[in-house]
Amino acid sequence: LAKTTQPISMDSYEGQEVNITCSHNNIATNDYITWYQQFPSQGPRFIIQGYKTKVTNEVASLFIPADRKSSTLSLPRVSLSDTAVYYCLVGVPMDTGRRALTFGSGTRLQVQP
Amino acid sequence: DAGVIQSPRHEVTEMGQEVTLRCKPISGHDYLFWYRQTMMRGLELLIYFNNNVPIDDSGMPEDRFSAKMPNASFSTLKIQPSEPRDSAVYFCASRLTGESSGANVLTFGAGSRLTVL
Repeated sequence: LAKTTQPISMDSYEGQEVNITCSHNNIATNDYITWYQQFPSQGPRFIIQGYKTKVTNEVASLFIPADRKSSTLSLPRVSLSDTAVYYCLVGVPMDTGRRALTFGSGTRLQVQP
Repeated sequence: DAGVIQSPRHEVTEMGQEVTLRCKPISGHDYLFWYRQTMMRGLELLIYFNNNVPIDDSGMPEDRFSAKMPNASFSTLKIQPSEPRDSAVYFCASRLTGESSGANVLTFGAGSRLTVL
């Protein structure tokens, strides 16, 4: 299974930019990096997906260096409502092997006022 | 679309009883997944279906667990008999495979919180 490593937890304050890094040293050529967000008492929700360089949507940005062995999810100007667990997954998007469907421990982000 | 619909949202039962969790995937999605989440083990993939056919059930903990998908709009996860260690939140997710926008990502339901006393 593609193994990902993320910090267990992070703390931030409202209005700050938060960067969560995911390490995936054994990423394969066809793998994409996908991030999900999970609020308490809810199922995970897709945030962003990318293959290389930078991807931006209305929620976040995803930075992927040239070697693709890590990726950084960037949340601009966080608010209290961004308090959640963030998961990084690595795999081929259309693949349905367990490798692409395995959630790690995630990063618990706590935003303080 | 109303998203992935799960029922019941909460279930409390006694050890030994049968539990049936239900899921209605998003219309048109070709894959359906059952996950279980606990504090100790995180999110575990139990089983998934493609076009109503079970593809991989290697995550099903033991024979007490079974899952079916009789048609494209309905799936069940059954535990018989239930045990206290089965207490967890069970999530159903569905996915559309393809090139279109929004494809190839999991859409989760709100989950079914099971407590076995």
